[in-house]
Amino acid sequence: DAGITQSPRHKVTETGTPVTLRCHQTENHRYMYWYRQDPGHGLRLIHYSYGVKDTDKGEVSDGYSVSRSKTEDFLLTLESATSSQTSVYFCAISESRNTIYFGEGSWLTVV
Amino acid sequence: EDKVVQSPLSLVVHEGDTVTLNCSYEVTNFRSLLWYKQEKKAPTFLFMLTSSGIEKKSGRLSSILDKKELSSILNITATQTGDSAIYLCAAQIQGAQKLVFGQGTRLTINP
Repeated sequence: DAGITQSPRHKVTETGTPVTLRCHQTENHRYMYWYRQDPGHGLRLIHYSYGVKDTDKGEVSDGYSVSRSKTEDFLLTLESATSSQTSVYFCAISESRNTIYFGEGSWLTVV
Repeated sequence: EDKVVQSPLSLVVHEGDTVTLNCSYEVTNFRSLLWYKQEKKAPTFLFMLTSSGIEKKSGRLSSILDKKELSSILNITATQTGDSAIYLCAAQIQGAQKLVFGQGTRLTINP
């Protein structure tokens, strides 16, 4: 298994509260990604990083921010959680020209 | 807009049958086509296809890319109940190595 750890794995939070999901890798890969998965939509890219402090938006970035202060850590923050952000969140990593490997997922419920 | 479409969305077959899953893509700066299998948790990597017409094979699974038709197929022969899963295809974009996913095909193998 690729060395990817997501935390927390499960979280229930209230609407309007901030939430941070953490992705930690031990592979020293350059690229890191946050995807969300919802029924009928497959996986959709939220944000990605191509190096320390280098990030960019994906297709569903509204309401989310990210930070990457170290190669091994990529944080996803929901500034003010909404029910539409109830989802499964997957972190992924890759190195140039190689395939992308996924973490185990974080289940987030916003009530 | 980059787009990946899979068909069928759902498929139910009997153990021992052969199945073919389809994936078509329309993306700018295409690099490769990836297939993943997803059971309960993280998608797990199956194949990466970069060159047209070259079949990749792993046991009972095989896949091929047709760049002229902008499509790929995933074949599974002699299906087993353990093949029941969601199969995802994704087009990888040059540069940031981003993946654009299809909606997935939910495959159910009945004994």
